[in-house]
Amino acid sequence: GEDVEQSLFLSVREGDSSVINCTYTDSSSTYLYWYKQEPGAGLQLLTYIFSNMDMKQDQRLTVLLNKKDKHLSLRIADTQTGDSAIYFCAERESGNTPLVFGKGTRLSVIA
Amino acid sequence: EAGVTQFPSHSVIEKGQTVTLRCDPISGHDNLYWYRRVMGKEIKFLLHFVKESKQDESGMPNNRFLAERTGGTYSTLKVQPAELEDSGVYFCASSQRQTYSYEQYFGPGTRLTVT
Repeated sequence: GEDVEQSLFLSVREGDSSVINCTYTDSSSTYLYWYKQEPGAGLQLLTYIFSNMDMKQDQRLTVLLNKKDKHLSLRIADTQTGDSAIYFCAERESGNTPLVFGKGTRLSVIA
Repeated sequence: EAGVTQFPSHSVIEKGQTVTLRCDPISGHDNLYWYRRVMGKEIKFLLHFVKESKQDESGMPNNRFLAERTGGTYSTLKVQPAELEDSGVYFCASSQRQTYSYEQYFGPGTRLTVT
């Protein structure tokens, strides 16, 4: 079945760049997403990328997609303490099909 | 515009009891999804409504779980009787059918603890 894998923890210093990695198995994934969950809050969509793209940049966020290796990454430039959260990678095959999530990467930012 | 809301935010019940979770999607969103995250594991899909119809309920773990969406507005998820392994955070999400990315907007979740 479909599977999404991510490392569970990442710790970075404030001001450094963070890179969160994700691999997926479903070759028919059309949309790939990064969600952020802050303590006590719901999932907030950070950004998404279509499978026919290999990069998307949005302010401090850069998403890279290597479709051949089924590898997705999220780079956060100039990481701030407010970026501390759990980041979930997710994929889905088509428009309104359910999302398939990874276990989430807990990002800790050290001041 | 109000976001997706869920009630209650936290529920603690004993094994064997019944609990009903509620989700109010964003007004006008036809798609409504339920997901669950068991501690430390992935967020897993439970089921998907389009308006009042169940489009996909392949993720429902067993027949102790019953979801409804009367009138195509809010949805309820009932667990009866609850078991210890049902503990987790239950998320609801909604989306429009027209947006290209079908972005799903998530609620804050209901944390269910079964003791």
